[in-house]
Amino acid sequence: DGGITQSPKYLFRKEGQNVTLSCEQNLNHDAMYWYRQDPGQGLRLIYYSQIVNDFQKGDIAEGYSVSREKKESFPLTVTSAQKNPTAFYLCASSPAIYYEQYFGPGTRLTVT
Amino acid sequence: DQQVKQNSPSLSVQEGRISILNCDYTNSMFDYFLWYKKYPAEGPTFLISISSIKDKNEDGRFTVFLNKSAKHLSLHIVPSQPGDSAVYFCAGAPFSGSARQLTFGSGTQLTVLP
Repeated sequence: DGGITQSPKYLFRKEGQNVTLSCEQNLNHDAMYWYRQDPGQGLRLIYYSQIVNDFQKGDIAEGYSVSREKKESFPLTVTSAQKNPTAFYLCASSPAIYYEQYFGPGTRLTVT
Repeated sequence: DQQVKQNSPSLSVQEGRISILNCDYTNSMFDYFLWYKKYPAEGPTFLISISSIKDKNEDGRFTVFLNKSAKHLSLHIVPSQPGDSAVYFCAGAPFSGSARQLTFGSGTQLTVLP
């Protein structure tokens, strides 16, 4: 089964701790993306990567970091510098040059 | 600055009738538009798209209309079914680079009443 997996589905952390969200895809897509969704808002782009070992900041990259060491994997670290980390985080991928992005099931992060 | 606006946060429609969801955009560099459907606690799923060289695209019960001069697009669902109840996001993308950066609207919650 081809798709995008995000784990875990729910994640709880104490304030001040870094946390890493996993995203894996077996669709052989070149591009991968991280979004966050807050209640009543659309999806906002955090980071994206077009190829391995390369990534660019999106609209709200502050307080986040990513790596792209393998084509299949694009983990997102929410650092303690992120002021409002509690949100629903979505990972997506797409073939290069295609507009349609395919989303994973998401991870709901709660920081208290 | 909201580049993509969905001004109706919610819409209720009777089963079997037409649902019309609207979306406005301000970025004239957008050349491709997409609609996604999202259920609670799940990732969005791609529904239908349209290129700026077209003004209409149909896929089964779903039709998207694009009015470039008004910077407006709409999604029509006919006939509406209870399973269509979800949040619908529209998104626009400019032609730039190999990774397409989508800009999403805030979504419209569609409720189809049986």
